[in-house]
Amino acid sequence: NAGVTQTPKFQVLKTGQSMTLQCAQDMNHNSMYWYRQDPGMGLRLIYYSASEGTTDKGEVPNGYNVSRLNKREFSLRLESAAPSQTSVYFCASSWDRGNQPQHFGDGTRLSIL
Amino acid sequence: KNEVEQSPQNLTAQEGEFITINCSYSVGISALHWLQQHPGGGIVSLFMLSSGKKKHGRLIATINIQEKHSSLHITASHPRDSAVYICAVREGGSQGNLIFGKGTKLSVKP
Repeated sequence: NAGVTQTPKFQVLKTGQSMTLQCAQDMNHNSMYWYRQDPGMGLRLIYYSASEGTTDKGEVPNGYNVSRLNKREFSLRLESAAPSQTSVYFCASSWDRGNQPQHFGDGTRLSIL
Repeated sequence: KNEVEQSPQNLTAQEGEFITINCSYSVGISALHWLQQHPGGGIVSLFMLSSGKKKHGRLIATINIQEKHSSLHITASHPRDSAVYICAVREGGSQGNLIFGKGTKLSVKP
């Protein structure tokens, strides 16, 4: 079972470059999430998609855009990368937005130089 | 916004020891999650609870809603339990976002 798949696993960018982080889930989940994890801090929600066709801002949305391409896929885009966006990014999914466990991908380690 | 505090930040134990990790939060919640982050980085959901106690194998999670406190216990600890354990709370009703603690890094020595 693949679960939640994120690509790429590692990426180095220069300041100002753009890139898209891909996430796909094969569990037929309705809700998907993007988090970032920084040293000494808890995971923080960037954006989420409660269901196909909807997206909403989380705690730290500035500098990011998302697309819920279909029920399976939820991508995160950095239009103009900044060093402050150096982080580990996790995609997660859950059956719905209610009290359900979230299933996480393995993360993308992103460095902005 | 809910403040989620975990203690201790770091914990080293000998194989076989009973381990307790604590989580406290400041505002009423609809559910509390315990997650495990492996040394390789992957995150796995262990428990979701809103009251009482849950058990899975050697792991036990309890929550006291009145005291706004939860504990994660590991019995007969093993080196493979070495990981970061993360507490997260769901605030604002069942549709609220998860607020995560900073995690407790556990190292179990053989």
